[in-house]
Amino acid sequence: EVRLLQSGGGCVQPGGSRRLSCAASGFTFSSYAMSWVRQAPEKGLEWVSAISGSGDTYYADSAKGRFTISRDNSKNTLYLQMNSLRADDAAVYYCAKDNLPVSGTRYYDYWGQGSLVTVSS
Amino acid sequence: DIQMTQSPSSVSASVGDRVTITCRASQGIGSWLAWYQQKPGKAPQLLIYAASSFQSGVPSRFSGSGSGTNFTLTISSLQPEDFATYYCQQANSFPRTFGQGTKVEIK
Repeated sequence: EVRLLQSGGGCVQPGGSRRLSCAASGFTFSSYAMSWVRQAPEKGLEWVSAISGSGDTYYADSAKGRFTISRDNSKNTLYLQMNSLRADDAAVYYCAKDNLPVSGTRYYDYWGQGSLVTVSS
Repeated sequence: DIQMTQSPSSVSASVGDRVTITCRASQGIGSWLAWYQQKPGKAPQLLIYAASSFQSGVPSRFSGSGSGTNFTLTISSLQPEDFATYYCQQANSFPRTFGQGTKVEIK
């Protein structure tokens, strides 16, 4: 059974940092691209970042220079390091798995439970 | 960036109704399009990918069509569990982008 278990959410002050983690199980983690998608309160979905199985990374403009996606294939874990957080970064952050192996990070068939990040002083 | 525009933003329908949601891309994306269903407080669920391919386990009443810039998600006979918000997503280029969502409500 595929499982994505997220951790690391919480409240952070503006300008602060937070690292989200997504522990994967039930599939060959290194063979699949992984992504982060966020959803601000009462808003739609926003793609944030993606990483291929081999480590190629992609970012939304809103994340470039502030967020870093990474993965540890030996630990089957995906990360999102978020720095210089702003009020408009407040959202539920989901990690998501590609639906096909080595497919170039396109479609997401399994999602984590979500991690709420609030940005407030 | 490719903008994805869904219509309508919301639709009221009854159980058994046929519901059609459209998604338009600001430029051609081939067939690189997915549809997701999201219920309140839950993560999205992949319904359709590559514009018309069924994700495993998705009921056959859901179908997708289109290519280029115009796409459609059809629910052939609305069931109580289908009341949710639906999103399209383009996978043609980075950054990936989602439509604003279409909320399917009970009439």
